[in-house]
Amino acid sequence: SQTIHQWPATLVQPVGSPLSLECTVEGTSNPNLYWYRQAAGRGLQLLFYSVGIGQISSEVPQNLSASRPQDRQFILSSKKLLLSDSGFYLCAWSVPGNQPQHFGDGTRLSIL
Amino acid sequence: GQQVMQIPQYQHVQEGEDFTTYCNSSTTLSNIQWYKQRPGGHPVFLIQLVKSGEVKKQKRLTFQFGEAKKNSSLHITATQTTDVGTYFCAGRQMGAAGNKLTFGGGTRVLVKP
Repeated sequence: SQTIHQWPATLVQPVGSPLSLECTVEGTSNPNLYWYRQAAGRGLQLLFYSVGIGQISSEVPQNLSASRPQDRQFILSSKKLLLSDSGFYLCAWSVPGNQPQHFGDGTRLSIL
Repeated sequence: GQQVMQIPQYQHVQEGEDFTTYCNSSTTLSNIQWYKQRPGGHPVFLIQLVKSGEVKKQKRLTFQFGEAKKNSSLHITATQTTDVGTYFCAGRQMGAAGNKLTFGGGTRVLVKP
């Protein structure tokens, strides 16, 4: 069966520090991968998605970036975090096509 | 760009009562999916609707896709405390690449015992 791992579960970072969140999927090949951000009590905002290694589509201009160095690995990064980057970050995967998305447990990021 | 709106934003329901949450897209959708997020958890897929006018049921939950494929609804009968959570609809725009979904803002359901 397929599983998705996302870490860390919680993270507290100072303003201006770098960020690296990692997501890995097991049990499937060539998945579509997604990064979302969810503000407290709000909906999901799509940040990036990828349909293959090295292929990244950015949905929202911001100081975040994403990379897919391996088929089942998706990384969210920032060189300098802003206070507005606080939130709940969710990674998800899906089989290509009209298929459900499956979410990881998420990372709660607090910027101080 | 595509927008997906959900109403109401909050739904306070007495246990045992019915309620409906609505989802409206600014553009025609190829399909719509519904997810449930329990407090402190991550979204979990519930169902997908593809055909115009499609109706699907999961026990006490009834999902409907509008004839024009621009709106959808979720009706829950005899609400239970296990129904607590936020329900999101997510639409895929016609021709969207990468199975990209646009999520609505969600309906947060609180159940009064």
